[in-house]
Amino acid sequence: AQKVTQAQTEISVVEKEDVTLDCVYETRDTTYYLFWYKQPPSGELVFLIRRNSFDEQNEISGRYSWNFQKSTSSFNFTITASQVVDSAVYFCALSEAGQNAGGTSYGKLTFGQGTILTVHP
Amino acid sequence: GAGVSQSPSNKVTEKGKDVELRCDPISGHTALYWYRQSLGQGLEFLIYFQGNSAPDKSGLPSDRFSAERTGGSVSTLTIQRTQQEDSAVYLCATGRPLQRSFYNEQFFGPGTRLTVL
Repeated sequence: AQKVTQAQTEISVVEKEDVTLDCVYETRDTTYYLFWYKQPPSGELVFLIRRNSFDEQNEISGRYSWNFQKSTSSFNFTITASQVVDSAVYFCALSEAGQNAGGTSYGKLTFGQGTILTVHP
Repeated sequence: GAGVSQSPSNKVTEKGKDVELRCDPISGHTALYWYRQSLGQGLEFLIYFQGNSAPDKSGLPSDRFSAERTGGSVSTLTIQRTQQEDSAVYLCATGRPLQRSFYNEQFFGPGTRLTVL
């Protein structure tokens, strides 16, 4: 069965520090998608990035970057020069194609437990 | 355009009562998911709708939970005889029709916080 592990429950940093949020996943499918979502105090999940299993290129978007390594089943997220507004809960998620289930998983997401990031001024 | 909306935003109920939670999807989004976020279980999938049918109900925790969708639009999640362990935030997410790659991006609503006393 699929599983997503975010080992870091809480991280606290001071503004302008770089911070990396770890995500390790388990799946038997060869086709899958990985996501990161941000949940600010308002509670609404905000989509940050998706990656498919065939694309291991790292991605940078402003202060955000993602490192996808199939060899270690990891999809880590780095915030460079963190800001107070980055304080939120961050979730890593997996969506399988469902090949091993004989069909489709219908795109449903399996989430990690989340990492609470607090950035202090 | 309007995002996914959910109502009520907060619901407090007494143990044993039934509750209905509503989700209004983004226009044109035929895929609709319900998730539950609780302290003990994190974020977990409940049910998936494609149009009005629910091909995946595998996440519903008990037969007290049911959901329907009408007109391929609004969905209602019903919890009968609520228990204290049902207290959680119930999130709805919607997306465009699934592509061959079995993927669609999900847009989440603000959630309904349910408290069962």
